[in-house]
Amino acid sequence: GQQLNQSPQSMFIQEGEDVSMNCTSSSIFNTWLWYKQDPGEGPVLLIALYKAGELTSNGRLTAQFGITRKDSFLNISASIPSDVGIYFCAGLYSGNTGKLIFGQGTTLQVKP
Amino acid sequence: NAGVMQNPRHLVRRRGQEARLRCSPMKGHSHVYWYRQLPEEGLKFMVYLQKENIIDESGMPKERFSAEFPKEGPSILRIQQVVRGDSAAYFCASSPDSANQPQHFGDGTRLSIL
Repeated sequence: GQQLNQSPQSMFIQEGEDVSMNCTSSSIFNTWLWYKQDPGEGPVLLIALYKAGELTSNGRLTAQFGITRKDSFLNISASIPSDVGIYFCAGLYSGNTGKLIFGQGTTLQVKP
Repeated sequence: NAGVMQNPRHLVRRRGQEARLRCSPMKGHSHVYWYRQLPEEGLKFMVYLQKENIIDESGMPKERFSAEFPKEGPSILRIQQVVRGDSAAYFCASSPDSANQPQHFGDGTRLSIL
């Protein structure tokens, strides 16, 4: 089955630092999504990417859809304590029926 | 996660009982998806439904699990004769008309099997 490899698995950074995480796949995706999940809650959509090469920002967050359509990265600039949580990438590929394939998640901890 | 409503938030069942999880999609959304999440893992797709139709159930276990999205009312994920391995967080998501639009998630139902 399809798999998304997300890295790093976890990060522990100082407040104010920039963060980068990425996802790679053996399959081509038509859509990449980035979600954040806080404990006890559902994933919240951060950024959606629809075209190869697309670079999209949402406040301090920036994400890119890789040219090969097999990868994506998420950057967080000037991290703050409320950025703490688990970040998931998810992909949709053409021909499927809306089934999102999720990465394993990146756990981010921010030290004030 | 305003919009997608799931209940109950927590459900405790004994082995052999039935579990019913409910999901009301965001207003105007006609596509519903169910996912399961084990601790320390990402979400795994289970089933995709539109009103009165199952579109893709490739992630559903063949036995004991069923899902529906009736014309009126919420979508239901039903697990019969639960076992300890069914313990997980079950999330529902919804999207507007197109299946390729972003999915928005509810806060999930945490199912615990005693």
